[in-house]
Amino acid sequence: DVKVTQSSRYLVKRTGEKVFLECVQDMDHENMFWYRQDPGLGLRLIYFSYDVKMKEKGDIPEGYSVSREKKERFSLILESASTNQTSMYLCASSLLAPEQFFGPGTRLTVL
Amino acid sequence: KNQVEQSPQSLIILEGKNCTLQCNYTVSPFSNLRWYKQDTGRGPVSLTIMTFSENTKSNGRYTATLDADTKQSSLHITASQLSDSASYICVVILLTGGGNKLTFGTGTQLKVEL
Repeated sequence: DVKVTQSSRYLVKRTGEKVFLECVQDMDHENMFWYRQDPGLGLRLIYFSYDVKMKEKGDIPEGYSVSREKKERFSLILESASTNQTSMYLCASSLLAPEQFFGPGTRLTVL
Repeated sequence: KNQVEQSPQSLIILEGKNCTLQCNYTVSPFSNLRWYKQDTGRGPVSLTIMTFSENTKSNGRYTATLDADTKQSSLHITASQLSDSASYICVVILLTGGGNKLTFGTGTQLKVEL
C-alpha cells in the first residue's frame, strides 16, 4: 500500500511566522502535490513537483513556496503566515497516471 | 463558478437505505472521472475511476455511472452503513499538454444515522 505521511495533523501558528509542512511518500513516486481544502471551495492545487528540485505553480501559489530536495519528501513553506492561510492542507503523490494518493492532511490555524 | 458541481451539498439517510450523489461538470475534454471518499479529518481515498468511454463502475456497495453526453456522473451507495458517513468528492481529470489537471468538486457531506 502507498503511504503518504504528513508531519503534523494539527498546527497552530501566529501571523508572520514561517511555517513548514512536510510530506513524505514511500512508493518512489515521481509526482507530488500540495493542496488546500476550504469549505465550499473544494481542493485547490498550490504547487506540484514532477521530479527532485523541480516545481510548478498550481492554481493558488501566492504566499507559498515549496522544496523538493529528495524524491520522497515535498515541503510546503509559508514564508509569513497570514490568517487567510488557515486551512486544511493535503499532500498527494502519484506515479504516472492521474491516480493520486493523499496524506491524512494538516489542519493549520493561523492566529 | 466551479467547473465541477456536486449535489446535494449534504444528505442525511438512515442506515440500510440507498442514496445517490450527483456530479455535473463542464470541463472538457476529460480523460477520466474519479470519486473519492473523505472521512472527517482524513485525506481523500479513491473509490472509482472511469474513462470517458465507460458507463458504470462498481466497487462493492458503491456504483458510479457516467454520461459523457450530458456530462453527468452519479455515485450510488447501496445498503448504507454508519461507516459511509463522509464527504464524497467528484474529480474530473483533464489530459493537457502539461500533464493531468484535476478539477475537484466541493463534495457532498453524507451522514448515515441509526
